[in-house]
Amino acid sequence: TQLLEQSPQFLSIQEGENLTVYCNSSSVFSSLQWYRQEPGEGPVLLVTVVTGGEVKKLKRLTFQFGDARKDSSLHITAAQPGDTGLYLCAGVDPGTTSGTYKYIFGTGTRLKVLA
Amino acid sequence: EPEVTQTPSHQVTQMGQEVILRCVPISNHLYFYWYRQILGQKVEFLVSFYNNEISEKSEIFDDQFSVERPDGSNFTLKIRSTKLEDSAMYFCASRTGTNQPQHFGDGTRLSIL
Repeated sequence: TQLLEQSPQFLSIQEGENLTVYCNSSSVFSSLQWYRQEPGEGPVLLVTVVTGGEVKKLKRLTFQFGDARKDSSLHITAAQPGDTGLYLCAGVDPGTTSGTYKYIFGTGTRLKVLA
Repeated sequence: EPEVTQTPSHQVTQMGQEVILRCVPISNHLYFYWYRQILGQKVEFLVSFYNNEISEKSEIFDDQFSVERPDGSNFTLKIRSTKLEDSAMYFCASRTGTNQPQHFGDGTRLSIL
């Protein structure tokens, strides 16, 4: 199983600051998803990036897929307390042989935005 | 917006007992998944299910685990003889087709005593 490593593992910042979260692998992924998970809830999909070099924006969140499709980043501009949560990247295991796609998740970045 | 629903939200079971976790995927979805997340750890793939059969399973999904889609709407995960280390959040997910993202339920918290 290929690993998706996320950094940093924990991040605590003040409201209004900018931050970047990274998701890295040594393997090529056909696509990567970013999810946000809050305590007691399931992961909620934020975005899917498919094309190498692709940039997607979701309000104050900017997602980028690396040119080689081995890494992705999530940048949050002017963070707010409502952004607090666990951010997860996920992708189809490159070793998947069936068509149902076995997904693997990153190690997660736990973000806390202080008011 | 349609969502994946899971019941119960919290299940407490004695070690060695059987437990069934239930999921109702989104109605037009074709691919179904179970994941688990031990407290403070990453989300781990357990099994994928398509066309009424298991497509892939992880090393975690041993003989104590089974999945079933008994009718057109429910998707269940059974743990035959629970162990303490089965305590975790269990998430069900579903998706429509190729290259479509998965949608997750809110999970069942399983506590084994």
